[in-house]
Amino acid sequence: KNQVEQSPQSLIILEGKNCTLQCNYTVSPFSNLRWYKQDTGRGPVSLTIMTFSENTKSNGRYTATLDADTKQSSLHITASQLSDSASYICVVSDNNDMRFGAGTRLTVKP
Amino acid sequence: GAGVSQSPSNKVTEKGKDVELRCDPISGHTALYWYRQRLGQGLEFLIYFQGNSAPDKSGLPSDRFSAERTGESVSTLTIQRTQQEDSAVYLCASTRRLAGEPYTDTQYFGPGTRLTVL
Repeated sequence: KNQVEQSPQSLIILEGKNCTLQCNYTVSPFSNLRWYKQDTGRGPVSLTIMTFSENTKSNGRYTATLDADTKQSSLHITASQLSDSASYICVVSDNNDMRFGAGTRLTVKP
Repeated sequence: GAGVSQSPSNKVTEKGKDVELRCDPISGHTALYWYRQRLGQGLEFLIYFQGNSAPDKSGLPSDRFSAERTGESVSTLTIQRTQQEDSAVYLCASTRRLAGEPYTDTQYFGPGTRLTVL
């Protein structure tokens, strides 16, 4: 069983709408959690990184939250744009390894 | 400055042939990673280089896969006797991570090499 589970697997929304992507993990001990955006045909690009003591972090229209007690994170995208269409990958690290989620494929339609 | 670069961007090969993929990390980055990403799937860790330490090869799927890195510079991933299931995008990433430190530094990814085995 994957130690990082993301949901939904895919999501379609209309331009201008908000959405929230989920990441649940079982990785332990926990070091940090990252959200990456991966455009089609490109390498992933880091959006946010959070350590144990941080429960929210924003990067423009992207806001990530972390609940280390329940081992859940979310990525909220506000006022979506067509350019937000991409895969969003949750990556959780212990002190030695990184564990990748399978990603959520987001499509923003006009 | 320049980011992580990879070459070739696309590679089409016949089953059974050997291929070599190249990664140029960001200058000064001590750590380098190779990942594989099959169509529609998540990233799969292959191998990790940290400075001059012995690499972590735990993710290599078979002995047909090997990788080298000279010091803290270029790395090559070699796949021998390619099979159709090797078809994927191969991504390279680098970071300033120092030996013994946890993953606090962001990984910077290259654009990937799309490998197609016919």
